[in-house]
Formats: sequence, C-alpha cells, structure tokens
Amino acid sequence: EVQLVQSGVEVKKPGESLKISCKASGYSFTAYWIGWVRQMPGKGLEWMGIIFPGDSDTRYNPSLQGQVTISADKSISAAYLQWSSLKASDTGIYYCARGNRGLGVPYWGQGTLVTVSS
Amino acid sequence: DIVMTQSPLSLPVTPGEPASISCRSSQSLLHSDGFNYLDWYLQKPGQSPQLLMYLGSNRASGVPDRFSGSGSGTDFTLKISRVEAEDVGVYYCMQALQTQYTFGQGTRLDIK
Repeated sequence: EVQLVQSGVEVKKPGESLKISCKASGYSFTAYWIGWVRQMPGKGLEWMGIIFPGDSDTRYNPSLQGQVTISADKSISAAYLQWSSLKASDTGIYYCARGNRGLGVPYWGQGTLVTVSS
Repeated sequence: DIVMTQSPLSLPVTPGEPASISCRSSQSLLHSDGFNYLDWYLQKPGQSPQLLMYLGSNRASGVPDRFSGSGSGTDFTLKISRVEAEDVGVYYCMQALQTQYTFGQGTRLDIK
C-alpha cells in the first residue's frame, strides 16, 4: 500500500528556518515524482514544485522559486520542503503528493500545518 | 503558466439532483499523444485532496460511476448524475500538461 506520511504541526516565528518531511512507503521511491502543494488559510490549492528522486531534478512554480527548497533523500525514501527565513504569509497547510506517470495524482500525504507568527 | 478557470465557484445542490462544474484552460491541454492532461480532485472538509478523474474522462480507482468527466482542448466538464451528501466539498480541476501544474480556483459544492 502506497503511503505518504508527513511530519507534524509546526509553529514558528518570522525569520526562522524550517524543514518539513514526507516519508514514502509501499513503492519504489525513485520511480515517481513527489511534489508539494500549498493551501493558505481558507484558500485553494497551489503547486509549489516537484522533484524526481531518481536524479533530484526539481521543477519549481516560478512564482515561488527562490523562496523554498525541495529535496529528497533516496536512502530513506523521504522528500523535504525547506524555508531559510519564514514569513507570516507562509502560514498554511502543506501537502506532499506523488505522481502516477500522467495518470493523475492519486496519493497524498495528510498535510502539515505550518503557522508563522510573532 | 497555464491558467485554469472554474465556474461556478459555489454550487448548492439538492440531494438526488445532478450537478455540473466547468473548467477552462488558457491553453489547449490536448497532448500530441491524443490525451487531454486534465484531472479533477475533490477536497472534502478537513481532508487531503483526492483524485476523481484523470486524462479528462477516466475515473480514478474507487470513484463512483455517478461521476463523469468530458471535454477536450480548453473546455472540460465534471458531472455528478445524482448528488449525495458525501459529495460535499471543494472540486478542483488541474492541468497536468506542463510540470508546472496549476489548479482552478475551486468550486464549493454543498447541499441545499
């Protein structure tokens, strides 16, 4: 069974750094891309970017490039989303999701709530 | 970026009645392989999104056959033949033609 299990709730202050994780199981980690989707409070879904764990090829949403870093560790089948300096506007729920070779995105993590507040 | 536009944004429906959501893309989603790279997702309250349809008209595993998808190029439709209480949530279309995927704004379906 494919599972994506995300790290827990985070409460941070503006300017702090953060790295959240998505641990994959039940399939060959390097065979499919993993991506991150942002949902700001009360708003819709927004793709942040995807990574192909096999070669770490990463594609970012141009509007977010430079603000976050997406990475993956093949040795432990985990993907990461990282901020070097959080802003209040980064508050939201972040979902990881796995692609299926053009057949939709059928697998989603449970979401990680990130709150950034002074 | 491909811009996705959904309508309506709010859809109150009586149980047992049909419902329809429209999705328009700023560029054709028809690939040279003949497939339209358009997906539909449902986000139920308090849950992660779930895949309903892929490649425009293919139901994902476990999706009831009261859901159907149609369209090609830039115009797509999701139809629910008879709405049930469990169908409440926000429906999103998403283009998967470019790896910079984009969602529509979402259509909130609730029960009258």
